[in-house]
Amino acid sequence: GAGVSQTPSNKVTEKGKYVELRCDPISGHTALYWYRQSLGQGPEFLIYFQGTGAADDSGLPNDRFFAVRPEGSVSTLKIQRTERGDSAVYLCASSLRLDGSDTQYFGPGTRLTVL
Amino acid sequence: AQKVTQAQTEISVVEKEDVTLDCVYETRDTTYYLFWYKQPPSGELVFLIRRNSFDEQNEISGRYSWNFQKSTSSFNFTITASQVVDSAVYFCALRSFGNEKLTFGTGTRLTIIP
Repeated sequence: GAGVSQTPSNKVTEKGKYVELRCDPISGHTALYWYRQSLGQGPEFLIYFQGTGAADDSGLPNDRFFAVRPEGSVSTLKIQRTERGDSAVYLCASSLRLDGSDTQYFGPGTRLTVL
Repeated sequence: AQKVTQAQTEISVVEKEDVTLDCVYETRDTTYYLFWYKQPPSGELVFLIRRNSFDEQNEISGRYSWNFQKSTSSFNFTITASQVVDSAVYFCALRSFGNEKLTFGTGTRLTIIP
């Protein structure tokens, strides 16, 4: 079956612009996660959804970052007034259910470059 | 607070050699889960294994094996008879029961020299 997909694979934007990053989870997975990976670092948690609601958004760095999942499937990460420090790979993951033992499966990521 | 330490930033070995990647973790929780992921040059994180804190049995899967020791808070990963396709960045990660966040280490870049 299909894995997690993310679009676009690469996004180049100018400082101050608005961007949207999309994630399509594995079919049937109810939990969805966003992480950010800077060069040479491990992924860092941003937010996760159970169904349509954001169950934990404690990793979002500031109010320029926002994510939605209106129908409980596809999610969009939105970044307003982008800054050069936002440049990173944004990873999306999904899991079958909300369970402490559950395994998260990751997509290929979107590489965001802010000039 | 949770923390995962992968002290080896980069490792290079000649093909067919065995190699062990170290992972040390910190958590105050009694129930937790440990993971290893592989990130090849393509960038996608590939799930390798999950271990529960209450199961300290070592696991072997083909050329891969994992040694989980709660006494030393370590979850080390060994590749035997390494191959060029094993070249990647490997991440160890920790997740506590009831907490959905994965806490990752900084990764170990493994290069297998043909």
